[in-house]
Amino acid sequence: EADIYQTPRYLVIGTGKKITLECSQTMGHDKMYWYQQDPGMELHLIHYSYGVNSTEKGDLSSESTVSRIRTEHFPLTLESARPSHTSQYLCASSDDRRNEQFFGPGTRLTVL
Amino acid sequence: AQKITQTQPGMFVQEKEAVTLDCTYDTSDQSYGLFWYKQPSSGEMIFLIYQGSYDEQNATEGRYSLNFQKARKSANLVISASQLGDSAMYFCAMSYLGGDSNYQLIWGAGTKLIIKP
Repeated sequence: EADIYQTPRYLVIGTGKKITLECSQTMGHDKMYWYQQDPGMELHLIHYSYGVNSTEKGDLSSESTVSRIRTEHFPLTLESARPSHTSQYLCASSDDRRNEQFFGPGTRLTVL
Repeated sequence: AQKITQTQPGMFVQEKEAVTLDCTYDTSDQSYGLFWYKQPSSGEMIFLIYQGSYDEQNATEGRYSLNFQKARKSANLVISASQLGDSAMYFCAMSYLGGDSNYQLIWGAGTKLIIKP
């Protein structure tokens, strides 16, 4: 079954740690996205990719980085986590037919 | 510039009543798409319904329908016979062709819907 996966689902970590949030999709989509969202608030696009070796920054400035070495994999890395990074991170991919975005279950990150 | 506006930050509705969630958009493009997503408290984003700008009929998916009024640039979501499980955040989004010749998606701020028993 085609799907999109994120791990971990929940992460509590101390300030200064390096973390990588994983996102994988089995739908063969070229386009992938990372959003940051505080509870009950709007989504903010922080990174996107149109395909392998393509990465772009989104509307919201973020200290995170991404890579796209394989079509199905789009990990997000924080080199030094801070309490201000506490949020939910949603990964999505989209088809070319009508640009519908398919979302993973999200990672809830808490930085102490 | 493209814009999506959801004017209702929150709504309370009695169970079994119909609900209309407002969404207006602004674009000068002729070709665009409109989406509604639901986000329960668990956090996942669930696709509900899609309307293409050239679709003449309003989209329907089960209890969900999209009231598309192109001249007014509105794409309101209607939920018939609301249920307790409909309590969630609802986001309106618009797909349009960006300057880099790729389709972009912009999001509204969301409406928090609470269904009262």
